[in-house]
Amino acid sequence: EIVLTQSPATLSLSPGERAILSCRASQSISSYLAWYQQKPGQAPRLLISDASNRATGIPARFSGSGSGTDFTLTIGGLEPEDFASYYCQHRSNWPWTFGQGTKVEI
Amino acid sequence: QVQLVESGGGVVQPGTSLRLSCAASGFTFSSYTMHWVRQAPGKGLERVAIISHHNKIKNYADSVRGRFTISRDNSKNTLYLQMDSLRPEDTAVYYCAKDHKYGYVDYWGQGTLVTVSS
Repeated sequence: EIVLTQSPATLSLSPGERAILSCRASQSISSYLAWYQQKPGQAPRLLISDASNRATGIPARFSGSGSGTDFTLTIGGLEPEDFASYYCQHRSNWPWTFGQGTKVEI
Repeated sequence: QVQLVESGGGVVQPGTSLRLSCAASGFTFSSYTMHWVRQAPGKGLERVAIISHHNKIKNYADSVRGRFTISRDNSKNTLYLQMDSLRPEDTAVYYCAKDHKYGYVDYWGQGTLVTVSS
């Protein structure tokens, strides 16, 4: 099973600042990585697929990069609605696992 | 628009069974792989099972294999999760989800809470 490790667990920032979230895979997953945002009491929302492809309706301030084992989600200029938890997830082989999450807090 | 509506959650005792349903609309259900993903209270996400559009591929997380069964009825646009031999650690919100690019999820239901407790 491929393990995804996200860091940091919590990121404390202010609105307008840039957030950089990391996801590291225990073995190469090519570019088969997605990022999701989840707010309390809500279902997750797909932000990025295949490492760098923004999902429909996702603002341009969200960008993804990386390949192999190291991936990054960058939020350029945090808006109030961006304070949430973020999860990475791979689809390289079964089981398609999630990282443990990064909480972006004010 | 895509809608996924789960039902069937509730409070059950350990060792018992429960069947979740998910009614899908707004897309061609029979063309998509579907997922069940769960989230224990205050915890992260875990993909429980997936089923291919044609019913031929079913994959399960190790934690539920042999106890849970995923199925679908394309004529009714409905996804199911039969959960047997439930354990306290199965307590979670269970989300029905539509596949994107065979592996990701682009639409999620609102979730249904399953609580396993004596």
